[in-house]
Amino acid sequence: KAGVTQTPRYLIKTRGQQVTLSCSPISGHRSVSWYQQTPGQGLQFLFEYFSETQRNKGNFPGRFSGRQFSNSRSEMNVSTLELGDSALYLCASSLAARNYGYTFGSGTRLTVV
Amino acid sequence: KNEVEQSPQNLTAQEGEFITINCSYSVGISALHWLQQHPGGGIVSLFMLSSGKKKHGRLIATINIQEKHSSLHITASHPRDSAVYICAVGGGADGLTFGKGTHLIIQP
Repeated sequence: KAGVTQTPRYLIKTRGQQVTLSCSPISGHRSVSWYQQTPGQGLQFLFEYFSETQRNKGNFPGRFSGRQFSNSRSEMNVSTLELGDSALYLCASSLAARNYGYTFGSGTRLTVV
Repeated sequence: KNEVEQSPQNLTAQEGEFITINCSYSVGISALHWLQQHPGGGIVSLFMLSSGKKKHGRLIATINIQEKHSSLHITASHPRDSAVYICAVGGGADGLTFGKGTHLIIQP
């Protein structure tokens, strides 16, 4: 079966711009979570969506937002990009609740110049 | 907030050696995950544990819920095992909390 698909794979943006990243989960998975990975901070939780509802958000500014559609595909948006937003953004899908395994996408590498 | 500590941070070993990576966490959990990340970024889920021990090929993962500790073992290590191994706890609406990872290099 198809895995988790993230698009685009690579992105270069200028400070002040905004960006939208996409994540298509495994068919049947209703939970999508997003993570930011940087060399300094490692992997950090951004937010989690389940059935189009954001259930929780990590410690990130309001410039980071997201949504989930009825087909479980999710997007995350970062507005007013800063240099420090350069990172690998990963999404992971899961069937539903806490004790299910995760399948990760290959990530989107965002570079802000 | 759960704190996840991994050790060692870096590990270089010879092919064939038995490898152990440790993970400790501060707050009781319902599940712990071991993940593998290769250069390029993609993450593969190796194990999800809530108790006891799991084995998959040359990989073994154990967890001690009372001591808040888990270990990942690799038997008969091979250069293709070279990767970053990451321990993570939590999940569901709270998302995962990750350790900083163990950079493993297996030399031929």
